[in-house]
Amino acid sequence: EDQVTQSPEALRLQEGESSSLNCSYTVSGLRGLFWYRQDPGKGPEFLFTLYSAGEEKEKERLKATLTKKESFLHITAPKPEDSATYLCAVLNQFYFGTGTSLTVIP
Amino acid sequence: EAGVAQSPRYKIIEKRQSVAFWCNPISGHATLYWYQQILGQGPKLLIQFQNNGVVDDSQLPKDRFSAERLKGVDSTLKIQPAKLEDSAVYLCASSLGPPGGGQETQYFGPGTRLLVL
Repeated sequence: EDQVTQSPEALRLQEGESSSLNCSYTVSGLRGLFWYRQDPGKGPEFLFTLYSAGEEKEKERLKATLTKKESFLHITAPKPEDSATYLCAVLNQFYFGTGTSLTVIP
Repeated sequence: EAGVAQSPRYKIIEKRQSVAFWCNPISGHATLYWYQQILGQGPKLLIQFQNNGVVDDSQLPKDRFSAERLKGVDSTLKIQPAKLEDSAVYLCASSLGPPGGGQETQYFGPGTRLLVL
């Protein structure tokens, strides 16, 4: 059965303290992996799509990478406005993980 | 460009009542999805439409949930009768094309928050 596991469940960072979020998956023949950001009371907002191992994409302070078993979302020098829940999903069945709740403290 | 529109934003009903949600996707988006997101969990796909045809409804509880997309644009999701465990956020998303064609990025609406008492 396809599975997507995100870790940690929650992460508190000081402003400027870089870290990484993990999304591990067990999917036969990954067709693509999405990263979304979700603010409280809102729908998920698209960040990145990754299709093949070794692929990397960047947007402002965020960088997403993909291997054959997992994806990382690296956050460099985060700001309080980066506080949100970050969700990953595999394209095969649009199966979402439970998310990592990020809090950046000023 | 206008985003995905959903209404109502909030709904409170008693169990065994019926409820309907409406979604207007981004103009030109052929693929439309309905998700259920329970508090603290990731969205769960309920149904996927390609134009006005159903592609995947394997996780839709068909004894109480139904959905349609007439004319390949707007869509409605209905629950009848509602149960307490249906309390969740119902998200609609749309994409230019189906998975696998490079146009599968989904854009989500704000969701409808349903509380069943």
